[in-house]
Amino acid sequence: AQSVTQLDSQVPVFEEAPVELRCNYSSSVSVYLFWYVQYPNQGLQLLLKYLSGSTLVKGINGFEAEFNKSQTSFHLRKPSVHISDTAEYFCAVSVPGGYQKVTFGTGTKLQVIP
Amino acid sequence: EAEVAQSPRYKITEKSQAVAFWCDPISGHATLYWYRQILGQGPELLVQFQDESVVDDSQLPKDRFSAERLKGVDSTLKIQPAELGDSAMYLCASNLGLGFTDTQYFGPGTRLTVL
Repeated sequence: AQSVTQLDSQVPVFEEAPVELRCNYSSSVSVYLFWYVQYPNQGLQLLLKYLSGSTLVKGINGFEAEFNKSQTSFHLRKPSVHISDTAEYFCAVSVPGGYQKVTFGTGTKLQVIP
Repeated sequence: EAEVAQSPRYKITEKSQAVAFWCDPISGHATLYWYRQILGQGPELLVQFQDESVVDDSQLPKDRFSAERLKGVDSTLKIQPAELGDSAMYLCASNLGLGFTDTQYFGPGTRLTVL
């Protein structure tokens, strides 16, 4: 079975500074990887996904992530954060084929400080 | 833009009472998911439907939880009786279905508080 680890439960960062949110996964087979964002009292919204091909994936709101198979990582980055990026971010993994059950990490709360 | 609808948005109940949540997925989406998200944790899959059939309910506490999607469109998740530990956000999501690597689209969720 696949699993996801988000080591950082909270990440404070000053506005306009860069940020990296870390995600590591575990799976014995190839995977699909996702980052979702959740604003308070709302559902999840997809930021970006890696299915195959280029290991650098660009998403919405200026976010990007890089798939590193050797390190089993899929870290999320943004070069300059804005107050509106304050939210919780979830990394998720699924195995291609079948019904593609998605497993979510425990989330990282990004707090952007003015 | 089409959205996943859920109701109610908030529900407060006493333990041992019955509660029900409703989800209407995006039109044409064959796969529907119910997740439970406990505060401070990621969503955990409770049940997954492909059309009207359950394809995964391995994490559903079947002694008290039930889910149905009778006509393969909207869905209801029920808890009877509710327990204090059921307090959580219940999220519904949908996507096009089997064989698609498509995004899961999430509804706004129902926040359940059990007193």
